[in-house]
Amino acid sequence: QVQLQESGPGLVRPSETLSLTCAVSGYSISSGYFWGWIRQSPGKGLEWIGSIYHNANTYYNPSLRSRVTISVDTSKNLFSLKLNSVTAADTAVYYCARNPFYSSGDNWFDPWGQGILVTVSS
Amino acid sequence: QSVLSQPPSASETPGQRVTISCSGSSSNIGSNYVKWYQQLPGTAPNLLIYRNDQRPSGVPDRFSGSKSGTSASLAISGLRSEDEADYYCATWDGSLGGWMFGGGTKLTVL
Repeated sequence: QVQLQESGPGLVRPSETLSLTCAVSGYSISSGYFWGWIRQSPGKGLEWIGSIYHNANTYYNPSLRSRVTISVDTSKNLFSLKLNSVTAADTAVYYCARNPFYSSGDNWFDPWGQGILVTVSS
Repeated sequence: QSVLSQPPSASETPGQRVTISCSGSSSNIGSNYVKWYQQLPGTAPNLLIYRNDQRPSGVPDRFSGSKSGTSASLAISGLRSEDEADYYCATWDGSLGGWMFGGGTKLTVL
C-alpha cells in the first residue's frame, strides 16, 4: 500500500523559499508514475502546483512555473518542492500525491499524503 | 473564481440521492476526463471517480459519475451521515495548460 508523508518547516518568512519533502513508502518511485504537489488555501481552494516523473521530467502550473522547482531523489525514494519568493498568498496546506498519468487529460492524484500546513509570516 | 463551477452547498436526508454538478468549457471538461474527490473534515482529498465514471477499488457503488458535453455530475445514492464532506471536481484545461479544480460543494446530510 502506497503511503506519502510531507515534511518541512511550518513557518516561512516572506520573500524566502518554501521547501518541502514527500517521502514515499510501499512503492519505489523508480518503478514509474508521476508524483505531484497540490495546495489548498481558504482563499483559492485546491491548486495544482506541479508534477515530476521518476526520470525528472516535470510539468508545472503555468501560474507558478517561474517560482517552482520540483525534484526527485530515487535513492531516498522521495520528491521535493521548492517555491521561492513566497508571500502571504502562499499560505496553505501542501499535499503530495501519486499522479498516475496516461495523457494530460487522463491522469489523476491518488493516494494523497496527509498534508502539511505552511504559514508565510514574518 | 474557479474555471470549473460547482454549487457551494447541497443537502439531503439519509437514504436519499443527491447530485452535484460541475460546469466547465470545451477546453477542460469538454475535451478531458473528469475526476471527483471527497474531502472529509480535517483530512486530505480522496479519489472517488476517475475517467468520468470509473471508481477506484474500495469506493462504494453508491457513488457514480457522468459527463455530458461541458458538464459533469457526481451522484450519491443511499446517503449516509458519513458522506457529509466537501466534494471537488477536477480536470485538465488545455487552454490554461494545467490541472483545474472546482470550488467544491459542501454536502450536508440532514
